[in-house]
Amino acid sequence: DQQVKQNSPSLSVQEGRISILNCDYTNSMFDYFLWYKKYPAEGPTFLISISSIKDKNEDGRFTVFLNKSAKHLSLHIVPSQPGDSAVYFCAASSLTGGGNKLTFGTGTQLKVEL
Amino acid sequence: NAGVTQTPKFQVLKTGQSMTLQCAQDMNHEYMSWYRQDPGMGLRLIHYSVGAGITDQGEVPNGYNVSRSTTEDFPLRLLSAAPSQTSVYFCASSSASETQYFGPGTRLLVL
Repeated sequence: DQQVKQNSPSLSVQEGRISILNCDYTNSMFDYFLWYKKYPAEGPTFLISISSIKDKNEDGRFTVFLNKSAKHLSLHIVPSQPGDSAVYFCAASSLTGGGNKLTFGTGTQLKVEL
Repeated sequence: NAGVTQTPKFQVLKTGQSMTLQCAQDMNHEYMSWYRQDPGMGLRLIHYSVGAGITDQGEVPNGYNVSRSTTEDFPLRLLSAAPSQTSVYFCASSSASETQYFGPGTRLLVL
C-alpha cells in the first residue's frame, strides 16, 4: 500500500516557466512533509519542507503548498532552470510518531528544456 | 565536515555471500537510517537508529541486520545475499529537529 504517491513519473517544462510537481498521501498521521531532489549517482538532497500547521512555505524559487483536507501537496518551481532537471521525491513523516522515519513517493523526473 | 559517507560505492556479490555496507557521519547526529531505492518504488526504510545501542526495523527489514555501537557509525549487514537485494542503498542521518542528510549511496548487484 503506497502511502505517498507521485502519480506523474515525468514532467517536461520549458526554461523560465513554472514547474508543478504533485504528491498525494493517505496516512492521516503524517504531519510533516518534505521534498528531496536527486541527481543521478548522488544521494537525495533536502529541498524544502512544510509542517501540517501551515498551508504554504516558500524558499526562493521553491514553494510548497499543502492541502490537508485533500491530503495533497505540490511543489512549485518558478522560474524553472536547466539545473533543476532531476528526480524529485516527496516524503512524509509523523513527528508525533517518532519523527525521522520518512515514507517516500516514487519520484517525478523533471526535465527543464532550453 | 565530510557529512555522511558510504563505502563501497559499488559491489557485486554472488547469491549467499555476506557483506557489510558501511555508513559514517561526522555531524554528531542521533538519528541514522538505511533506505533502499528500487526502480518505480521510491526509497524504502530498512532499519533505523535513534542513538547508540538503539535500533529498530523499518518497512523492509528482512534479510538485513544493523547495529549502532557508536554515534558515528551505522553498518548494514547482509548475511546471505539474494538477487532481490540488488538495489541502491542510501544511509541518512539527522538530529532530532532537522531534516535528514543522505550519503552518496552504494550500488549493490547480487548475481
